[in-house]
Amino acid sequence: AQKITQTQPGMFVQEKEAVTLDCTYDTSDPSYGLFWYKQPSSGEMIFLIYQGSYDQQNATEGRYSLNFQKARKSANLVISASQLGDSAMYFCAMREGLEGYQKVTFGTGTKLQVIP
Amino acid sequence: GAVVSQHPSWVICKSGTSVKIECRSLDFQATTMFWYRQFPKQSLMLMATSNEGSKATYEQGVEKDKFLINHASLTLSTLTVTSAHPEDSSFYICSALPLTSGDEQFFGPGTRLTVL
Repeated sequence: AQKITQTQPGMFVQEKEAVTLDCTYDTSDPSYGLFWYKQPSSGEMIFLIYQGSYDQQNATEGRYSLNFQKARKSANLVISASQLGDSAMYFCAMREGLEGYQKVTFGTGTKLQVIP
Repeated sequence: GAVVSQHPSWVICKSGTSVKIECRSLDFQATTMFWYRQFPKQSLMLMATSNEGSKATYEQGVEKDKFLINHASLTLSTLTVTSAHPEDSSFYICSALPLTSGDEQFFGPGTRLTVL
């Protein structure tokens, strides 16, 4: 079974609009961490946001927020006020366990294109 | 801070030759580094976890003798693709886990390997 599922292979959003990228996860471990990364065409992985399974509040980092719905096992990324530079691949990832050395599993990614 | 470099950024080699890729944490020490492989338009797949001073832990299906990992210091891990073949052509990305903060991996810019 897929541990991380991103059902949107591609998304379009108008510049300055908000967009939600979907991510669902599957784990029986009560301790886990969820990540979102951005990968531009140049290839580097850019960390965006992190949510721990015990965090009570949804994580936010600037224009990025993570809509964490634990019971539904979803961790959607919301990007507000989209910019042209946001066009990239976005990967959701999960670490089962809260220790940094533990394995991180990535989803298949969503390609976001911001339209002027 | 938290910069990870990879060298080379791209390499083309002939089938049957070996290629070494370096991953360095420039401004922090890392006891743990991770090596990922990413085929075109696909997700990152963890190949192995590299721990300083000990043998790497390989994921299922990854050939240890083909992908040699050496983590000789707290700032350097190397991946050697031995007897490379065209099917080894891929984007190889490393990440490093800071010694002092165990939560977030920092990714290198990746190395694009093309085997002719």
